[in-house]
Amino acid sequence: GAVVSQHPSWVICKSGTSVKIECRSLDFQATTMFWYRQFPKQSLMLMATSNEGSKATYEQGVEKDKFLINHASLTLSTLTVTSAHPEDSSFYICSALGQAASPLHFGNGTRLTVT
Amino acid sequence: GDSVTQMEGPVTLSEEAFLTINCTYTATGYPSLFWYVQYPGEGLQLLLKATKADDKGSNKGFEATYRKETTSFHLEKGSVQVSDSAVYFCALSRNTGTASKLTFGTGTRLQVTL
Repeated sequence: GAVVSQHPSWVICKSGTSVKIECRSLDFQATTMFWYRQFPKQSLMLMATSNEGSKATYEQGVEKDKFLINHASLTLSTLTVTSAHPEDSSFYICSALGQAASPLHFGNGTRLTVT
Repeated sequence: GDSVTQMEGPVTLSEEAFLTINCTYTATGYPSLFWYVQYPGEGLQLLLKATKADDKGSNKGFEATYRKETTSFHLEKGSVQVSDSAVYFCALSRNTGTASKLTFGTGTRLQVTL
């Protein structure tokens, strides 16, 4: 079945550094990818919608300059957390959508810890 | 705005017990409703869905019925197995049939013991 690979699965970084998270659709072309953030015991919150070849659409309250999203190809989207701070520590999850009526496929998530 | 409320966990059951995980929603219009499951160490997977009122979604012995009058989509299974241990997320989308922009509940952890 369709698989979405998210890498890394966990990362620890120092405050002030930047971290890049990759999301790849392995056996289908993803015209749209979504990035979510999940705090402990809370819902997955949609951060942004990424369409291949165009700028991402960010949800209200999400800083576009802090969470840089690039969707350069139909199989890859990246989320870069710039100048990370401890409050950015969270679980980040991507999902990918192929054809219009196909189900949404999720990556396994990335646990980011900023020290 | 749209919201999904589901019962807090963890829910601990013995194998073969009956499962209900409550889910209610708030949304304008006619959203599609979904249950996703996340097994340990894996990504979320679509478990079942319903796109209109009175629809029943079913998969792997799980069922949920879209109740517009009570704005609910409770998940049920008649006899749970240890392999059902996972986190279950209720979600809604306003894009009929697709799951492009989902609003999730907080997730309910199910632990099934022998």
